[in-house]
Amino acid sequence: GAVVSQHPSRVICKSGTSVKIECRSLDFQATTMFWYRQFPKKSLMLMATSNEGSKATYEQGVEKDKFLINHASLTLSTLTVTSAHPEDSSFYICSARRSGRIDEQFFGPGTRLTVL
Amino acid sequence: DQQVKQNSPSLSVQEGRISILNCDYTNSMFDYFLWYKKYPAEGPTFLISISSIKDKNEDGRFTVFLNKSAKHLSLHIVPSQPGDSAVYFCAASVRGGSEKLVFGKGMKLTVNP
Repeated sequence: GAVVSQHPSRVICKSGTSVKIECRSLDFQATTMFWYRQFPKKSLMLMATSNEGSKATYEQGVEKDKFLINHASLTLSTLTVTSAHPEDSSFYICSARRSGRIDEQFFGPGTRLTVL
Repeated sequence: DQQVKQNSPSLSVQEGRISILNCDYTNSMFDYFLWYKKYPAEGPTFLISISSIKDKNEDGRFTVFLNKSAKHLSLHIVPSQPGDSAVYFCAASVRGGSEKLVFGKGMKLTVNP
């Protein structure tokens, strides 16, 4: 159990377009989901915390208007990269928390975004 | 400012020997530490954790040691197996606060048959 999926796994888009990434908890309900970004040879950086039914909490330095997060249900959160530019190219990973325990955070396989 | 540091990018060990992965942190507020394992094209999976009230936690072949005074933790894998070859991330959190996970850069472990 505790499977988190992401779609798409890989996306290539032109500069200026918007890209939506979906994160789903397949066999549990997640009141909290997290979105991370990873640059090559760097650590996973938390971008925002997404709570079902409320606005996402963004980390310092993350543009909320650029990275739109929607957590419409207990099993789905979406990250939309708006007006993407080459510097937005990165590996985006979501995670979903199954309970209040910190170690009950399960990660998706990630989405590789390449902006041309 | 890197609050969680994994200073060695890679480690190569022989099957059957011990693997020791190190992690240092700077934020003294961290009170819960986790290790994750990541295979290519997959998300990180939880491996083992330790609370700051302990100095050791063991789960099968995996043991995590915490030295609070040195702000250092290590993951020991013994005996190492080829299937352990992966990238290992150290993460830290403050329980009762935001409980966000702060990750290190990761270390690639290769266990040679």
